[in-house]
Amino acid sequence: GESVGLHLPTLSVQEGDNSIINCAYSNSASDYFIWYKQESGKGPQFIIDIRSNMDKRQGQRVTVLLNKTVKHLSLQIAATQPGDSAVYFCAESVYSSASKIIFGSGTRLSIRP
Amino acid sequence: GAVVSQHPSWVICKSGTSVKIECRSLDFQATTMFWYRQFPKQSLMLMATSNEGSKATYEQGVEKDKFLINHASLTLSTLTVTSAHPEDSSFYICSARVMGGVNTEAFFGQGTRLTVV
Repeated sequence: GESVGLHLPTLSVQEGDNSIINCAYSNSASDYFIWYKQESGKGPQFIIDIRSNMDKRQGQRVTVLLNKTVKHLSLQIAATQPGDSAVYFCAESVYSSASKIIFGSGTRLSIRP
Repeated sequence: GAVVSQHPSWVICKSGTSVKIECRSLDFQATTMFWYRQFPKQSLMLMATSNEGSKATYEQGVEKDKFLINHASLTLSTLTVTSAHPEDSSFYICSARVMGGVNTEAFFGQGTRLTVV
């Protein structure tokens, strides 16, 4: 079946550096993409989203880039902090009501002091 | 942001018994809720889509008779794991999407850790 996948299962970053987490998706019908952060033992926490009519969206310290040509998403975290340590998931959906959200395989981000 | 609450946060049950997990949207109405299961070090796998007032839609490979879903109101969906076995031990997470607005962001509950012994 179609799926959302990731290039790197783990990422170790020096505190203060920027982090880049990548994701590939395969469902060409998906037009809404979301990044989630999940800390141990908790549910996913929304970070940022983007629709397919955009190629970049910025939030507070985070930026999501969407390349529809190669079906690739990335999440950039600026000035990575210890509190950013978590597993990050990309997810895809269709931008309409009640559409299910399908998760990718996840990347664990660890921060080196 | 909107809040989705799950209860209980964790539960331990004996093999063969049934367990009910509740998912509530506290400050918004959700005509649709989603149930996920997450095994250790894995991603969230969608189990079913729960629609208020109608039957749930299950993903391929998910046994509807084992995982009973009821969505009786716009703020409550329940997942019952029937005749639970150790292999059902997992982290169960519900989600609800805000309906009728510009933003279709989905909000997630804090999850329920089920351990079957």
